[in-house]
Amino acid sequence: DIQMTQSPSSLSASVGDRVTITCRASQSISIYLNWYQQKPGRAPKVLIYAASSLQSGVPSRFSGSRSGTDFTLTISSLQPEDFATYYCQQSYSIPLTFGGGTKVEIK
Amino acid sequence: QVQLVESGGGVVQPGRSLRLSCAASGFTFSTYAMHWVRQAPGKGLEWVALISYDGSNRYYVDSVKGRFTISRDNSENTLYLQINSLRAEDTAVYYCAKVRNSYDNTGSPFDSWGQGTLVTVSS
Repeated sequence: DIQMTQSPSSLSASVGDRVTITCRASQSISIYLNWYQQKPGRAPKVLIYAASSLQSGVPSRFSGSRSGTDFTLTISSLQPEDFATYYCQQSYSIPLTFGGGTKVEIK
Repeated sequence: QVQLVESGGGVVQPGRSLRLSCAASGFTFSTYAMHWVRQAPGKGLEWVALISYDGSNRYYVDSVKGRFTISRDNSENTLYLQINSLRAEDTAVYYCAKVRNSYDNTGSPFDSWGQGTLVTVSS
């Protein structure tokens, strides 16, 4: 199974901050890495797919990048509605696996 | 627009069975693989099962193999998850999810999710 190691598990940030979340795959997954945002009591929502493609309707302040088996989600200027938990997920092979999540909280 | 509506959750005793349903609308259900993903209270997301667009291929996470069965009825636009021999560790919100690209089993992200149905295993 492919392990997805996400860091940090939580962070505190202010509105307007640049936020970076990383995810490392235990083996090559090519570009098959997706990022989701989840708010309390709600289903997850895809933000980025295929490592760096922005899902339709998602604000451009969200971006994704890849370097080998390391992946990064960046929020260029944190907005109040961005306080949530973020998950990475590999869609390269079965079993599909998620990172442990990063909770973004208000500083 | 795409809509996925789960039902069938509830409080169940250990060892009993439950069948979850996911009613789909707003897209051509028969051309999309479908998944179940669960989330234990206060925990992260765990992929559970996948069924191909035509039902010919099914895959499961190891922890549910032999106890869970994913199925679909393309004539009724409905996805199912039969859960047998329930354990306390199966307590979770169960989401059905649609993939972004038709006919893809893997590769695509989950671009639509239901609201989830809570399964609580307790005596």
